Amino acid sequence: DVKVTQSSRYLVKRTGEKVFLECVQDMDHENMFWYRQDPGLGLRLIYFSYDVKMKEKGDIPEGYSVSREKKERFSLILESASTNQTSMYLCASLVGTANTGELFFGEGSRLTVL
Amino acid sequence: GNSVTQMEGPVTLSEEAFLTINCTYTATGYPSLFWYVQYPGEGLQLLLKATKADDKGSNKGFEATYRKETTSFHLEKGSVQVSDSAVYFCAPSLRSNDYKLSFGAGTTVTVRA
Repeated sequence: DVKVTQSSRYLVKRTGEKVFLECVQDMDHENMFWYRQDPGLGLRLIYFSYDVKMKEKGDIPEGYSVSREKKERFSLILESASTNQTSMYLCASLVGTANTGELFFGEGSRLTVL
Repeated sequence: GNSVTQMEGPVTLSEEAFLTINCTYTATGYPSLFWYVQYPGEGLQLLLKATKADDKGSNKGFEATYRKETTSFHLEKGSVQVSDSAVYFCAPSLRSNDYKLSFGAGTTVTVRA
């Protein structure tokens, strides 16, 4: 089975702190994604990566950056956390091709910024 | 990119009731279509999928048929259980030249005993 693991289920940080959210997949997939999920807004794409060191902005990249130094690991970085970044963050990995593949999600990281 | 319009919730049902959640899509070409489910406190997981027109996906008593003529992929279950309480997301596949897929708000389903 494909496994996507997010390092922290729950985090509490203070405004201005730097936050790292880690995501690891165990199936050598090229494409990985970071979403945030907020009530009433669904899942919105923050960034995605289609290969090591390659990344593209999604719909809401402001205030975030990402790192993909190894194929299996895709990190989301909040350089200076703000209260409006309190949210559930979901990492996903694409299984198969873009046209037919499915997204395999981690369990999510719930971040609270005080 | 490919996109969907999904019935808004919340939907509240009694056990053993019939559930249908409407989903229509717009896409270039012929995407695969998926239903994902998110149980409380968890990430999304694939519920079922269909890869071409007239295909029927099924899992856990849920079914959805890929209707090209109506560009729809409605989710149905004949007799829901309390354990089906979750948020359901309809989604098309990504496109080879456009990976920007954002999901909608999903449909929250609550099944009461």
